[in-house]
Amino acid sequence: IQLTQSPPYLSASPGDRVTITCRASQDVNRYLAWYQQKPGQVPKLLIYGASKLQSGVPSRFSGSGSGTDFTLTISGLQSEDFATYYCEQVNEYPHSFGGGTKVDIK
Amino acid sequence: QVRLVQSGGGVVHPGRSLRLSCAASGFNFKRTAMHWVRQAPGKGLEWVAVISYDGRTDYYGDSVRGRLTVSRDNSRDTTFLQMKNLRHDDTAVYYCVRDVGYQLDFWGQGTQVTVSS
Repeated sequence: IQLTQSPPYLSASPGDRVTITCRASQDVNRYLAWYQQKPGQVPKLLIYGASKLQSGVPSRFSGSGSGTDFTLTISGLQSEDFATYYCEQVNEYPHSFGGGTKVDIK
Repeated sequence: QVRLVQSGGGVVHPGRSLRLSCAASGFNFKRTAMHWVRQAPGKGLEWVAVISYDGRTDYYGDSVRGRLTVSRDNSRDTTFLQMKNLRHDDTAVYYCVRDVGYQLDFWGQGTQVTVSS
């Protein structure tokens, strides 16, 4: 299953609302996760099951979608949110990741 | 607390082999599936492999199938990634990752594998 993230790069300002999309080449139900990775750090799970917030993740992060189209929204971007974000389908093996979306400071 | 401590990376020549280890603690490893994910320099994440909690089932990404083998020793709470016939494009940081049911929720610190002649 191919996952296409858009946009690949995004410039935004603190306080902005940011939306990242992930499109799957076939139905993955709601078995989609989102990760955040900062430079030099290990990826961190943000969202699983398309819309369930991982414990400890701020509520400004939200996920939605099902089937083939998904979104990650950050409501009120904060300085610590500048990072690269990846989606992953966990519906079937082999799992696959999207190409990533780098969010940097405008 | 949950820990995944990785070891075994290094620099190897093309065509050679290497075994990565991932020692777990702080959770019930024997009931937990484990994944391997890699990241080439400056690139995105690539899913590599998974092994079921009991070691009976495994799956692989297309680019590694037949050359990389995942295994586990539940008596030692450790999972392994045996890598053979290594290629330049296997150069990456390799992560072991815990799966708690459609959630890859905890990642090891990563280990660097460099394939270079």
